[in-house]
Amino acid sequence: GQSLEQPSEVTAVEGAIVQINCTYQTSGFYGLSWYQQHDGGAPTFLSYNGLDGLEETGRFSSFLSRSDSYGYLLLQELQMKDSASYFCAVRDAGRRALTFGSGTRLQVQP
Amino acid sequence: GAGVSQSPSNKVTEKGKDVELRCDPISGHTALYWYRQSLGQGLEFLIYFQGNSAPDKSGLPSDRFSAERTGGSVSTLTIQRTQQEDSAVYLCASSLDGGSSYEQYFGPGTRLTVT
Repeated sequence: GQSLEQPSEVTAVEGAIVQINCTYQTSGFYGLSWYQQHDGGAPTFLSYNGLDGLEETGRFSSFLSRSDSYGYLLLQELQMKDSASYFCAVRDAGRRALTFGSGTRLQVQP
Repeated sequence: GAGVSQSPSNKVTEKGKDVELRCDPISGHTALYWYRQSLGQGLEFLIYFQGNSAPDKSGLPSDRFSAERTGGSVSTLTIQRTQQEDSAVYLCASSLDGGSSYEQYFGPGTRLTVT
């Protein structure tokens, strides 16, 4: 089976940088995805790491280390609109669907 | 283009009744997924369809849950004899194909309340 761990809640101030960590245990690991979900909204895709290293998309970056079974999402220049829940998700060899972590609730304060 | 649509947006039903939830994926997407999300929780995988292949039903929690996908497009999730623990938001997602499952597009969900 698969399991993912991420912090339940993170608080930061506008303009700051925040890192949300995700560790996973899975067999036949394919890659790590990140999704954002605002309250009452649908999850939206942010980024994907299939290989080790850093992927950058605007203010958001995501990192993967396969050897450490670890990844993180880095949010820079935080804005109030970034207040949301962030989920890491893995796909393994046994299943095409994603297994999601329980989510990290990010609160951005003025 | 149009995103993933789901209906109804909200459904209140009495315990023991059957419900049907509908999902219309993005046109051209061959892979379709159903998840459910309880309040403040992550997403729990239910079932996955890819083209004409047999669906992956490994996430269905009981035999009261079933789903079908007609013509490789619209999907219906059916819950029979609903129980209070079935109350959750049911989310449908699609991806271009199974190999692109890392990037899924989600619908707005159906909030199911069983009284």
